[in-house]
Amino acid sequence: QKEVEQDPGPLSVPEGAIVSLNCTYSNSAFQYFMWYRQYSRKGPELLMYTYSSGNKEDGRFTAQVDKSSKYISLFIRDSQPSDSATYLCVTSKSGGSNYKLTFGKGTLLTVNP
Amino acid sequence: ETGVTQSPTHLIKTRGQQVTLRCSSQSGHNTVSWYQQALGQGPQFIFQYYREEENGRGNFPPRFSGLQFPNYSSELNVNALELDDSALYLCASSATYRAGGDNEQFFGPGTRLTVL
Repeated sequence: QKEVEQDPGPLSVPEGAIVSLNCTYSNSAFQYFMWYRQYSRKGPELLMYTYSSGNKEDGRFTAQVDKSSKYISLFIRDSQPSDSATYLCVTSKSGGSNYKLTFGKGTLLTVNP
Repeated sequence: ETGVTQSPTHLIKTRGQQVTLRCSSQSGHNTVSWYQQALGQGPQFIFQYYREEENGRGNFPPRFSGLQFPNYSSELNVNALELDDSALYLCASSATYRAGGDNEQFFGPGTRLTVL
């Protein structure tokens, strides 16, 4: 069993739709949760970062973490064609200086104009 | 501010050869992590370097090795290349402070390695 399981997609939605991306993790030692976005032929870039259960909102993006069920979600409101990318669910055991990131497989999202 | 850069962009090698990939950290960053991203997969942690020493390693064999230089740039070396080594190799830099805290890893664009 992989440490981070992510819905593989691909996911295709019309512009303006609400997008829901999900993943689960198996290791209770994971305390920090991130979503990275990766455009084609680019490196991943940090989108959202949280270390507690609950919701964190940033503009059109909301990250949701439920540590009791080890479930992580990312919601995108009013999706735009520029949101088309691969979204990577990421966890780590520490948010401190020396931490490795554990990635999910990624979900390829296409937002159609 | 210059971001993380990697060279070369693409590389084609044959099985059994050796390869060196290079990474320049973002200005002010002293920690470099390397990840392997196979096609259709998420990145997998290879190792991290801090103060020129390996500081954590993932599940990769010893033929994957690295270096970090005084200017915090880094190299990833892979010996005895295998077909399964074909992947995108990503370098990420971050700033490590004594007090810890959030240390976002900034990724470079990667080097695409193809092993034939």
